[in-house]
Amino acid sequence: SSELTQDPAVSVALGQTVKITCRGDSLKFYSASWYQQKPGQAPIFVIYGQDHRPSGIPGRFSGSYSGDTASLTITGAQAEDEADYYCQSRDSSGNLYVFGTGTQVTVL
Amino acid sequence: QVQLVESGGGVVQPGRSLRLSCAASGFTFPTYGMHWVRQAPGQGLDWVAVIWYDGSRKYYADSVRGRFTISRDNSKNTLDLQMDSLRVEDTAIYYCVRDAEGGRGRDHWGQGTLVTISS
Repeated sequence: SSELTQDPAVSVALGQTVKITCRGDSLKFYSASWYQQKPGQAPIFVIYGQDHRPSGIPGRFSGSYSGDTASLTITGAQAEDEADYYCQSRDSSGNLYVFGTGTQVTVL
Repeated sequence: QVQLVESGGGVVQPGRSLRLSCAASGFTFPTYGMHWVRQAPGQGLDWVAVIWYDGSRKYYADSVRGRFTISRDNSKNTLDLQMDSLRVEDTAIYYCVRDAEGGRGRDHWGQGTLVTISS
């Protein structure tokens, strides 16, 4: 099975931009989706691919790809964006799913 | 609105069994793939299993294959997870999760049910 690796923690100043990365071989073939989780709450779906956002998710969240790396960018981070973020994709078989290791985002 | 309500969690001894259920409402359940995802205390998300919209295909994480069985009843709008030969490392919150249309993400999550495996 494939692994998806994320930086454990990043910080961003209020109103600035932060990019969260997710690296794995399967990302060369399969799109990633991203989830936000705040303490004590269930995760919520943020984005799939580069720009498939569910209703209610602000446009400051965007996705991108480069080789084996998917990224989630928050442009103009807000205090309410402070949370854990997880990427997800499929493994090399395409039938199984895998989550990234998670990134804790702190808004300063 | 979409609602996913898990039930069946609790404390069980290692080696025993437990069955989780998820009651779905607010959408056409038989047309969506469904997943179970778990999260151990203080840890990250861990994908467990997926079942296709019609139940025709099921796939499992390596860590649970052969011990867990995912199933669904499209007439009752319910998703189940039968967990056998439970281990201490299966301790986690278990979430019922809906696949977005076209498999483009997992777009709705339940609040989860806590499973604790302890002697």
